[in-house]
Amino acid sequence: GQQLNQSPQSMFIQEGEDVSMNCTSSSIFNTWLWYKQDPGEGPVLLIALYKAGELTSNGRLTAQFGITRKDSFLNISASIPSDVGIYFCAGQLKGKLIFGQGTELSVKP
Amino acid sequence: EADIYQTPRYLVIGTGKKITLECSQTMGHDKMYWYQQDPGMELHLIHYSYGVNSTEKGDLSSESTVSRIRTEHFPLTLESARPSHTSQYLCASSARNNSPLHFGNGTRLTVT
Repeated sequence: GQQLNQSPQSMFIQEGEDVSMNCTSSSIFNTWLWYKQDPGEGPVLLIALYKAGELTSNGRLTAQFGITRKDSFLNISASIPSDVGIYFCAGQLKGKLIFGQGTELSVKP
Repeated sequence: EADIYQTPRYLVIGTGKKITLECSQTMGHDKMYWYQQDPGMELHLIHYSYGVNSTEKGDLSSESTVSRIRTEHFPLTLESARPSHTSQYLCASSARNNSPLHFGNGTRLTVT
């Protein structure tokens, strides 16, 4: 079946540093989504990307929909302690969402 | 923003019990989904529905069943719970194809 490879699996960074994570797939998607999940909660949508090449920002977050439609990245600038959590990419095709394995982010104050 | 509610938040039950996890959304979304997630792991689609009286199995095989009698309600049932069913179950809805999914807070199920 379809698979998304998300990397890195985990990151330990200092507050104020920039963060980058990405997802790749052998499949083409119509939409790329980035979610953040806090412990014991459901995923919360951060950014949605609808067109190949699209670059979208949401505050300190920036994400891009790869030109080939098979990849996407998420950047977080000037990280703060509340950025801690698990970040998931998801590719969407015909209404079904396929998730990456997640990137667990830890931020040291 | 979608309002989607799951109950209970936490459930601990014994093996062999029948349980129903509730999911309701107030946005009139046609599409609803159930995902299963082990702690810190990726989400796996187990059921989805594109509207009333429509239900389909997802990519991950599950012994649970679902029903969609009303647009706003998409309950998931386990006829006989087993320890292997211990997991977090997340419900989601979306307005249309390629619209983002909005998730509930999940039900964390423990079967002893």
